[in-house]
Amino acid sequence: NAGVTQTPKFQVLKTGQSMTLQCAQDMNHEYMSWYRQDPGMGLRLIHYSVGAGITDQGEVPNGYNVSRSTTEDFPLRLLSAAPSQTSVYFCASRLSRGLTYNEQFFGPGTRLTVL
Amino acid sequence: AQSVTQLDSQVPVFEEAPVELRCNYSSSVSVYLFWYVQYPNQGLQLLLKYLSGSTLVKGINGFEAEFNKSQTSFHLRKPSVHISDTAEYFCAVSEANTGFQKLVFGTGTRLLVSP
Repeated sequence: NAGVTQTPKFQVLKTGQSMTLQCAQDMNHEYMSWYRQDPGMGLRLIHYSVGAGITDQGEVPNGYNVSRSTTEDFPLRLLSAAPSQTSVYFCASRLSRGLTYNEQFFGPGTRLTVL
Repeated sequence: AQSVTQLDSQVPVFEEAPVELRCNYSSSVSVYLFWYVQYPNQGLQLLLKYLSGSTLVKGINGFEAEFNKSQTSFHLRKPSVHISDTAEYFCAVSEANTGFQKLVFGTGTRLLVSP
């Protein structure tokens, strides 16, 4: 299987433009999440989903929307891009939301620049 | 709420020398602890994890870490580093009171191995 895939790998936007970062996994994982990585700040959780139709906010949700209509896909939408959203975005997934540990797998990332 | 501190933003070391990357966490409940590695322009890969049991955990590529509950630390060590270990290393924690659902990352430590 392909694991966690993200498209595009690179994107340049102008302030105010909208776009959707795609994330898909083929491992039948319940739990999916989006992080942004900024220099000196590590990875911060934007939104997460514990299953199809269920999403919740993470640490830095403002300016981003998500939905989870299928188990496989978890797109991240920027409705009106701002320069502060310039970052590297990582999608991740793991098997279930339960207390039993299961490893979280990360996608290769999308590098977004907002001018 | 949990937090993770990685005091060293960058650690330079010579090849074949030992290295320790420090990680301290703040939490009042049971935690899972993780170390991830990120090679240049790649996603995150799990190095090792502490869930319960033995406080000394061994991971891939010869790395190990020790969980110290009294000092709330989870330092990463390797007795002899290679050039190929040059990467960024992230410590992360998840808490029992979030159902271990959310990973909180430290700001990362860049390991620079020179000949």
